[in-house]
Amino acid sequence: DAGVIQSPRHEVTEMGQEVTLRCKPISGHDYLFWYRQTMMRGLELLIYFNNNVPIDDSGMPEDRFSAKMPNASFSTLKIQPSEPRDSAVYFCASITPDNTGELFFGEGSRLTVL
Amino acid sequence: DAKTTQPPSMDCAEGRAANLPCNHSTISGNEYVYWYRQIHSQGPQYIIHGLKNNETNEMASLIITEDRKSSTLILPHATLRDTAVYYCIVRGPLNTGNQFYFGTGTSLTVIP
Repeated sequence: DAGVIQSPRHEVTEMGQEVTLRCKPISGHDYLFWYRQTMMRGLELLIYFNNNVPIDDSGMPEDRFSAKMPNASFSTLKIQPSEPRDSAVYFCASITPDNTGELFFGEGSRLTVL
Repeated sequence: DAKTTQPPSMDCAEGRAANLPCNHSTISGNEYVYWYRQIHSQGPQYIIHGLKNNETNEMASLIITEDRKSSTLILPHATLRDTAVYYCIVRGPLNTGNQFYFGTGTSLTVIP
């Protein structure tokens, strides 16, 4: 398997623009997580899905952030409008619920908002 | 929120054992202890996990105290490539609404 695939790897945009980050989980994994990492706040859980349904979005910072999972093989995290403080590395991860504990992470999307 | 406490940083000499402590005094009976590490800006990588027995795999050993309120991750022969941030996480079963909260971790530096 190719692992969790994220795109784009790097994104530089200007304040006010819409940003869409994409994630393809590992086939067969029915849990998908979105994390954000900054120097100040570390690795924060934003939202997670189970069987394409959002279970907990309490970590989503503001209404400017939204996430969808239209099918088992694709998820998006959208920021509209983007702000400089949204600059961070955004990670997607997936797991099967069989308690092996190995949460598989993608390589991350580094977002810079100017 | 993270339910663990870890020292912010540690050093270890190359070739020696690295012992990384973690306190999780409020752990519940059905919660596992997981360890992950993150090298530079890569995604975190799973190392090991356990419930109450000590565990060992090709990467590390996990020692959990009898009362389960603390644990230690042991890297038996640290190499320079083990320099990373190590996260200790406690989590119950996913299907009961538990998630992986990573906390701030321990930044381990392996010194030549």
